[in-house]
Amino acid sequence: QQQVKQSPQSLIVQKGGISIINCAYENTAFDYFPWYQQFPGKGPALLIAIRPDVSEKKEGRFTISFNKSAKQFSLHIMDSQPGDSATYFCAASNDYKLSFGAGTTVTVRA
Amino acid sequence: KAGVTQTPRYLIKTRGQQVTLSCSPISGHRSVSWYQQTPGQGLQFLFEYFSETQRNKGNFPGRFSGRQFSNSRSEMNVSTLELGDSALYLCASSPQMGHIYGYTFGSGTRLTVV
Repeated sequence: QQQVKQSPQSLIVQKGGISIINCAYENTAFDYFPWYQQFPGKGPALLIAIRPDVSEKKEGRFTISFNKSAKQFSLHIMDSQPGDSATYFCAASNDYKLSFGAGTTVTVRA
Repeated sequence: KAGVTQTPRYLIKTRGQQVTLSCSPISGHRSVSWYQQTPGQGLQFLFEYFSETQRNKGNFPGRFSGRQFSNSRSEMNVSTLELGDSALYLCASSPQMGHIYGYTFGSGTRLTVV
């Protein structure tokens, strides 16, 4: 049973546009919410992460929005670039392991 | 600084065989965690090794096992391979046990069972 639900499965965005990926969780004990980026043939790489006591975190063109009461969090990729084309995973944890969402494949058209 | 090294990158095995995968963590990292990635189930935690001991285990059958050596290098073994074991096996190293914030993943070993 997937503890973190992620949507959409895939999205296509024009260069310069905004990509939005959403995740929802049930386990209120989760206290760490990272996003990973994975390119074909590579392992996931940490992009940005947030704790539940913060509602938003921004790093460059990447922003996490966190809604604790709704048990949802999302990744916004601003000014999307072709190099952002990858699969993005949300994840959550409160202990020694990460529970991952199913992933979103983002394609940025030039 | 060298990253996490997983060998081999690709493997093809036959049902019923066994396989051993290797993971060399980042220098100074003492914890190695293993994850299985499949299109159907996504990324799932297998186990974590720290100080040569398995510290945590995911919900996988006993056919999946591992070990860690004194230099922190880890191996995972899958016995009596099934078609469903075809997956990308990823290891993540981190400085300390349970230190998921410091995870660095390797590029994985792609296992195909035929």
